[in-house]
Amino acid sequence: RKEVEQDPGPFNVPEGATVAFNCTYSNSASQSFFWYRQDCRKEPKLLMSVYSSGNEDGRFTAQLNRASQYISLLIRDSKLSDSATYLCVVNTPYSGAGSYQLTFGKGTKLSVIP
Amino acid sequence: DGGITQSPKYLFRKEGQNVTLSCEQNLNHDAMYWYRQDPGQGLRLIYYSQIVNDFQKGDIAEGYSVSREKKESFPLTVTSAQKNPTAFYLCASSPGTSGVGKNIQYFGAGTRLSVL
Repeated sequence: RKEVEQDPGPFNVPEGATVAFNCTYSNSASQSFFWYRQDCRKEPKLLMSVYSSGNEDGRFTAQLNRASQYISLLIRDSKLSDSATYLCVVNTPYSGAGSYQLTFGKGTKLSVIP
Repeated sequence: DGGITQSPKYLFRKEGQNVTLSCEQNLNHDAMYWYRQDPGQGLRLIYYSQIVNDFQKGDIAEGYSVSREKKESFPLTVTSAQKNPTAFYLCASSPGTSGVGKNIQYFGAGTRLSVL
């Protein structure tokens, strides 16, 4: 089982639509969770951290279910500028040496259509 | 202007040549990382450094080398032993590696390496 799995998409949605991305992770010892956004041929940028209680930032809502090892991102009222690849990122134990590293999913591509 | 600077933006390597990618940060972050991204793939960790003068291998370290002589700098050398070096290379830094907020990584704009 891959460490962080995402539906690769693409998700093609009209402007104004609501779209949801899902992500599962395999290591139950994972501590921190994030969504990053990556535009075509650019670097990933932090979109938001994901907390157990769920958190919202404007049109974006992230949720975490530790029992199911599942993370979600909901985008409401999609804008053309939301078109990008969304990376699910999990902080997992690494090399058994007490260190943690970020493990990146392959990303889900979103295209918002006029 | 704080951030992470990678150079060059584009780099071409000849057969048998070693090339070095630069990464500098002025965020006063302790930890720095190098990733490789291939088309349609996730980021894969090459090397990381949690503190000056120390670094550790990541998942795909073979054919690469790094140094961390200064806190601000973490250059990556792609050696001739790396037989498939064409990829998008991303450098990142974080305040630390554990603790709330300390493991959030911030990325440079990347270097695209191609083989001639």
